[in-house]
Amino acid sequence: NAGVTQTPKFQVLKTGQSMTLQCAQDMNHEYMSWYRQDPGMGLRLIHYSVGAGITDQGEVPNGYNVSRSTTEDFPLRLLSAAPSQTSVYFCASSYSRWGNTDTQYFGPGTRLTVL
Amino acid sequence: AQSVTQPDIHITVSEGASLELRCNYSYGATPYLFWYVQSPGQGLQLLLKYFSGDTLVQGIKGFEAEFKRSQSSFNLRKPSVHWSDAAEYFCAVAAGQNFVFGPGTRLSVLP
Repeated sequence: NAGVTQTPKFQVLKTGQSMTLQCAQDMNHEYMSWYRQDPGMGLRLIHYSVGAGITDQGEVPNGYNVSRSTTEDFPLRLLSAAPSQTSVYFCASSYSRWGNTDTQYFGPGTRLTVL
Repeated sequence: AQSVTQPDIHITVSEGASLELRCNYSYGATPYLFWYVQSPGQGLQLLLKYFSGDTLVQGIKGFEAEFKRSQSSFNLRKPSVHWSDAAEYFCAVAAGQNFVFGPGTRLSVLP
């Protein structure tokens, strides 16, 4: 199993550009989520999905869109990038809810810089 | 609202010394608690988790953590640190629909 994969690893955007961060998992996990990591702030939840066709907002959803058309994929879209979105983005997946006895598996991250 | 605090931003210990990383949480219900480790440029790896039962939890790489409800704490310990333990450590709490991370503690290990 490849686990959780993310592409690209690095990206530089100009303010106002759009892009999609890709996330895929091959563990047949129902739950997937996106976090951003900023210095001194740990990881903050952006959006999450409890299954194909179902998504919801996390702590910091503004400026980001998600969709979940398949179990495997959970892309994160930036419609109009802003410098405040410069961050490292992590995708994670788990078989069941976080409050259960399961574990979240994290991808290697995407480092995004918005100029 | 749920929150997690890690009072120490950066800790330096000598190789072979013992280690304790502090974590305090704020959550009204019974918490599900986690410790993750992140090596430079890598994703996060789960060290251990607490859901219920024995308040002393054993994890991978020789780590353990103790849940103390009265102190709202979940401190991570290791009796003898190895140079490869140098990394950033995150405490987290699963709180309903949310999963809240602390700000992290960076561990440096002196030879």
